[in-house]
Amino acid sequence: GQQLNQSPQSMFIQEGEDVSMNCTSSSIFNTWLWYKQDPGEGPVLLIALYKAGELTSNGRLTAQFGITRKDSFLNISASIPSDVGIYFCAGQRRLDANTGTASKLTFGTGTRLQVTL
Amino acid sequence: EAGVTQSPTHLIKTRGQQATLRCSPISGHTSVYWYQQALGLGLQFLLWYDEGEERNRGNFPPRFSGRQFPNYSSELNVNALELEDSALYLCASSLFGGPDTQYFGPGTRLTVL
Repeated sequence: GQQLNQSPQSMFIQEGEDVSMNCTSSSIFNTWLWYKQDPGEGPVLLIALYKAGELTSNGRLTAQFGITRKDSFLNISASIPSDVGIYFCAGQRRLDANTGTASKLTFGTGTRLQVTL
Repeated sequence: EAGVTQSPTHLIKTRGQQATLRCSPISGHTSVYWYQQALGLGLQFLLWYDEGEERNRGNFPPRFSGRQFPNYSSELNVNALELEDSALYLCASSLFGGPDTQYFGPGTRLTVL
């Protein structure tokens, strides 16, 4: 199945450092989402982006919807140990132009983040 | 408000058997999505149900099937289990209509021996 290209694949950073990761696609998406998944659990939604160029923050997290609609970025500032986990981007296309109904998510390959003290 | 729930938490089967996984969406959500996440890999879309109908299907063989009930809960059935079907199966729900956001359940860990 199709997956989005997400980089980096993994990161080891020190507590307090900032983190950046990105997601790219060969096709356009109408919505970009960022999830975090802890081991053995389902992904938890962090940030949703609905417009090209949109910049949205959620606490220490900031995400941007790329102008081309083919990419998105997630930044985590001042990382803490509980930021450890796998971060997934997901793109979603709008199926029906009239109602705006959306469809399945296409996920990125994930970025595994490990934070050392 | 209760989130998406899935049952069972873990399921162990042998090759050739059938597995049934269940999902209850967030109250008010009409769409249910199923994803497969093999160990160490990303999520692969399986099926999308809304108002009792299958709306879309991922690149999986026909032995992966499901249904959605009038109360919007859903079942995923996997027939003739193969070893490579071992994975975390995740269910997500969303509202239908307008830009929507999918919320995930904790998943069912299926192990095929």
